[in-house]
Amino acid sequence: AQSVSQHNHHVILSEAASLELGCNYSYGGTVNLFWYVQYPGQHLQLLLKYFSGDPLVKGIKGFEAEFIKSKFSFNLRKPAVQWSDTAEYFCAVNGEGQGGKLIFGQGTELSVKP
Amino acid sequence: GAGVSQSPSNKVTEKGKDVELRCDPISGHTALYWYRQSLGQGLEFLIYFQGNSAPDKSGLPSDRFSAERTGGSVSTLTIQRTQQEDSAVYLCASSFRADTQYFGPGTRLTVL
Repeated sequence: AQSVSQHNHHVILSEAASLELGCNYSYGGTVNLFWYVQYPGQHLQLLLKYFSGDPLVKGIKGFEAEFIKSKFSFNLRKPAVQWSDTAEYFCAVNGEGQGGKLIFGQGTELSVKP
Repeated sequence: GAGVSQSPSNKVTEKGKDVELRCDPISGHTALYWYRQSLGQGLEFLIYFQGNSAPDKSGLPSDRFSAERTGGSVSTLTIQRTQQEDSAVYLCASSFRADTQYFGPGTRLTVL
């Protein structure tokens, strides 16, 4: 069965600090990978996605993620966070042959102090 | 353009009652998904419709849960004989085929 693990439940950073959120998945085949963000009071929005090609993908608001196939990882990074990045971040995987359904990690709550 | 819409935004019901939750997907999207978000379980897949194919119901937690999608567009998720553990935010998403899913604002269900 597919599963997704996010290592950090709650991360607290000061503005301008660098961010890396870990995500590991378990699936034996080809995967599509996603990071979604949920700002306070808002619905889930796509940050970035990986389907194929360059394993380093860039998303909105300066976020990027790197797919490392050998480590089954898709970590999210941002060089300098802003207070407005305070949100909950979800990693998700869609496995080949699984239709389009997403399996989500438990989420990481990011709090950025101004 | 219009995104995914869901109604009602909030629903409070008594244990044992039936509830219906509605989702209007983005026009032209062929796939529609239901998920639920709860404190203990995170985000869980419930059911998936793709075009005219049989839905993937593998995520439905019990036979009290069912969903239909009429005319390839609007979907209704029905929970019969609600239980307190059904309390959660129910999210709908749509996509064109199996591409990026766009989520609606959710329906917060509270079962008293």
